[in-house]
Amino acid sequence: AQKVTQTQTSISVMEKTTVTMDCVYETQDSSYFLFWYKQTASGEIVFLIRQDSYKKENATVGHYSLNFQKPKSSIGLIITATQIEDSAVYFCAMREVYNAGAKLTFGGGTRLTVRP
Amino acid sequence: VTLLEQNPRWRLVPRGQAVNLRCILKNSQYPWMSWYQQDLQKQLQWLFTLRSPGDKEVKSLPGADYLATRVTDTELRLQVANMSQGRTLYCTCSAEKGLGGRGNTGQLYFGEGSKLTVL
Repeated sequence: AQKVTQTQTSISVMEKTTVTMDCVYETQDSSYFLFWYKQTASGEIVFLIRQDSYKKENATVGHYSLNFQKPKSSIGLIITATQIEDSAVYFCAMREVYNAGAKLTFGGGTRLTVRP
Repeated sequence: VTLLEQNPRWRLVPRGQAVNLRCILKNSQYPWMSWYQQDLQKQLQWLFTLRSPGDKEVKSLPGADYLATRVTDTELRLQVANMSQGRTLYCTCSAEKGLGGRGNTGQLYFGEGSKLTVL
């Protein structure tokens, strides 16, 4: 069974700074996907970035990047130059790679508040 | 254009009554449809994944019973029953291309969710 843990329940940062959100996971699968999603105030869950477990290089999309440390089963999300609109709840999630339709296992979420 | 449309977005549920939720897929190229539940503490939990019209599954969790039905290639339904009094629950549907193998990105797209509150 897979398990995802986000220990930070909330973070508050000043606008234009860099923030890192932590996530650790457990799985028996040899290949897996790791994701970060954010949930906006309207409730919509939006995909941000993905890391394939078999890739060593950290994924980067816009001002989102990942710190993937496979030996530590850790996948941190780094947001640079934060903006007010980055305020949301951020979820770390994982799933197995090869099974189409496999479920996504989520962490408990980290609420990010970006202050002006 | 939103890929998934959910209705109703919010419903007050009289105690003891069941409620039916619908999720409409706007692009049939994302055939793997799922339901997730979310509690007030924001914890998201997978409920079901149904691929083909006619597929049905049931599940009982603490606080509610669920029946999911894949009605058509573009419609997924969820019946929620026996919700605990005073409980608030969010149900969100998702869709995925599910190409399988190394072509699978694993990325899910989510609807905006339905909020259920039991009186």
